[in-house]
Amino acid sequence: KAGVTQTPRYLIKTRGQQVTLSCSPISGHRSVSWYQQTPGQGLQFLFEYFSETQRNKGNFPGRFSGRQFSNSRSEMNVSTLELGDSALYLCASSSGQGAYYGYTFGSGTRLTVV
Amino acid sequence: AQKVTQAQTEISVVEKEDVTLDCVYETRDTTYYLFWYKQPPSGELVFLIRRNSFDEQNEISGRYSWNFQKSTSSFNFTITASQVVDSAVYFCALSEAQGSGTYKYIFGTGTRLKVLA
Repeated sequence: KAGVTQTPRYLIKTRGQQVTLSCSPISGHRSVSWYQQTPGQGLQFLFEYFSETQRNKGNFPGRFSGRQFSNSRSEMNVSTLELGDSALYLCASSSGQGAYYGYTFGSGTRLTVV
Repeated sequence: AQKVTQAQTEISVVEKEDVTLDCVYETRDTTYYLFWYKQPPSGELVFLIRRNSFDEQNEISGRYSWNFQKSTSSFNFTITASQVVDSAVYFCALSEAQGSGTYKYIFGTGTRLKVLA
C-alpha cells in the first residue's frame, strides 16, 4: 500500500512569491491534514480537509490556504511568502478524523524562502 | 487550556540501555486521546500508539511500552534495550473534541533520542 506522497520534496522560493504544495493520501483515506514544523514553533496545525470540505483550521494568516479534490488529493498554497514561512510542511492522512484515529504522515516538503 | 509538555529536549543513551521519554499533558476534558509518534531523519512522523482517556492499561509492543497515569497526567514511553535505529525525535500528542464533531490536536515539542553504538 503506497504511503502518503508529498511533492515536491524540496523547494526554494523568493520572498513575495507564492507556492503550491501537493499531497496524495493513502488510498481510501478521505481526511487530509497539513502541519507546519519549525525548530522554534514545533508542529503546528494548519488545516484539515474531509471529502473536499475544510473541517478544521489552525491559527495561520489567510495567506495559507488549501483545498481537497474529489480523489482526496490535497494542495496547500502560501501566497506572498515571508522568510518566516521557511519550514517543513507535513501532510497527514487518515481514514476518518486524524485527530481522533491518528495520522499517517508523508515525508514533507521542505520550503526555504530567501 | 490544552497543553503537552515533553521536558526532555534531548537524551543520549548507549545501545542496549533502557530509556524512558516523559510526556505530561493538561486538559479539562474527561474524554481525550493520547498519541506517540516517531520522526526519523527522513522526516515523516510514524504513528506508534493511540490511547483513550478511559483506558489506563499499560501497553507493551515488542521493545516499546507505554505507561498511562491519569493521576499524574502522564503518558510515558519506554524503549527497552535501545538500538541505534531507535534514534529519532519522538512526539507526544493530545487530542480532544471541540464540540462540533472536530478534534483539536496538539503536539509536544518532541524529545530527540540518540542511541550510540
